[in-house]
Amino acid sequence: QSALTQPASVSGSPGQSITISCTGTSSDVGSYNLVSWYQQHPGKAPKLMIYEGIKRPSGVSDRFSGSKSGNTASLTISGLQPEDEADYYCCSYAGRRNFDVVFGGGTQLTVL
Amino acid sequence: QLQLQESGPGLVKPSETLSLTCTVSDDSISSSNYYWGWIRQPPGKGLEWIGSIYSSGSTYYNPSLKSRVTISVDTSKNQFSLKLSSVTAADTAVYYCARHTTTVTVDYWGQGTLVTVSS
Repeated sequence: QSALTQPASVSGSPGQSITISCTGTSSDVGSYNLVSWYQQHPGKAPKLMIYEGIKRPSGVSDRFSGSKSGNTASLTISGLQPEDEADYYCCSYAGRRNFDVVFGGGTQLTVL
Repeated sequence: QLQLQESGPGLVKPSETLSLTCTVSDDSISSSNYYWGWIRQPPGKGLEWIGSIYSSGSTYYNPSLKSRVTISVDTSKNQFSLKLSSVTAADTAVYYCARHTTTVTVDYWGQGTLVTVSS
């Protein structure tokens, strides 16, 4: 399975909203509502931000939201804050024939 | 609070086998309905799923690594392990152990351990 496609970088000013896309295929993102999103600060382990496409774990700010259209999933961060500056990765189940998991290449978010 | 901790050599020679162990605290690997997996991240690059083992003992591997990977579990020690054979410099990465659900939601991660492949 090929990695999911994400933009290499996005940026926004504090208070603005940004959206990060994650494009897959009909074999992964398009077939399942099983996309998750992870935030990773430098030198740290990733942190779960969104799961099953649209669900938010307890403790994650409601400024983070997920959606999907066709083969593309999206993560939207509203009211950008300086601490949101990090790398973001999407992940999807991709196991039409065998259990498989694919990640996106990651997007670096800069808060200007 | 569930905790996962990776352990193993930080330096492995080319063509040898990389071996890591993940110790799980505050959850039983054998009784919980979760997957226990390994994910790696080469320096400056993205995440790659290596494989997972279910509480029943069934294993699932990334097709691109399947021929070189073995994941096993030691329920008596509440640990699971990764073996990656015939390593090259391309296998240099931070290796994370993690727990994920049946919906592939990775809800707990270890802190990660850097493994360098070099002679």
